[in-house]
Amino acid sequence: QQPVQSPQAVILREGEDAVINCSSSKALYSVHWYRQKHGEAPVFLMILLKGGEQKGHEKISASFNEKKQQSSLYLTASQLSYSGTYFCENTGNQFYFGTGTSLTVIP
Amino acid sequence: ETGVTQTPRHLVMGMTNKKSLKCEQHLGHNAMYWYKQSAKKPLELMFVYSLEERVENNSVPSRFSPECPNSSHLFLHLHTLQPEDSALYLCASSQDSGRNTEAFFGQGTRLTVV
Repeated sequence: QQPVQSPQAVILREGEDAVINCSSSKALYSVHWYRQKHGEAPVFLMILLKGGEQKGHEKISASFNEKKQQSSLYLTASQLSYSGTYFCENTGNQFYFGTGTSLTVIP
Repeated sequence: ETGVTQTPRHLVMGMTNKKSLKCEQHLGHNAMYWYKQSAKKPLELMFVYSLEERVENNSVPSRFSPECPNSSHLFLHLHTLQPEDSALYLCASSQDSGRNTEAFFGQGTRLTVV
């Protein structure tokens, strides 16, 4: 029931781009993306709603394919501060967090 | 600081103890949540409250008992827990339980059951 994220882990050099995917076996109603640093609370990144509306407040982008039941998060020109674990959350009738993607940005 | 405060930050309890986790938000939100984060597992939603009424209970064992006395406070009462209940317990709030707006998480309570 939990969405599956890929890749599980990725290491980037500063300035490189990354894509994190979130695939669900259940229909996606809206998708939330979060980043969690070790020992800290998850921090909201973006919401993608049915119909294409997006809400976010960081310089990231994401896509939402209802038909394929997938969402992707695009991180461009990565910075050291992007390091952390990224989670998607499917917020339909029930809420399910994804399996997580560990992202490490190195100098 | 996200506006959601959880206490205590760390808790060690025996299997026969009774303890409570507290969550407080001053964001004016109407929905509050408890999540469990175990090692190497995705976050799991435990309970959802909207306007102080429980709207979601994801088959959580009765040894976990939530309480929401008002829209700003949420408690999780614990009794006769098992070692496998050791985890990070996260509280979150959002404007409403429809989740069309962002959720804010607290720092969590790291619970160890011995």
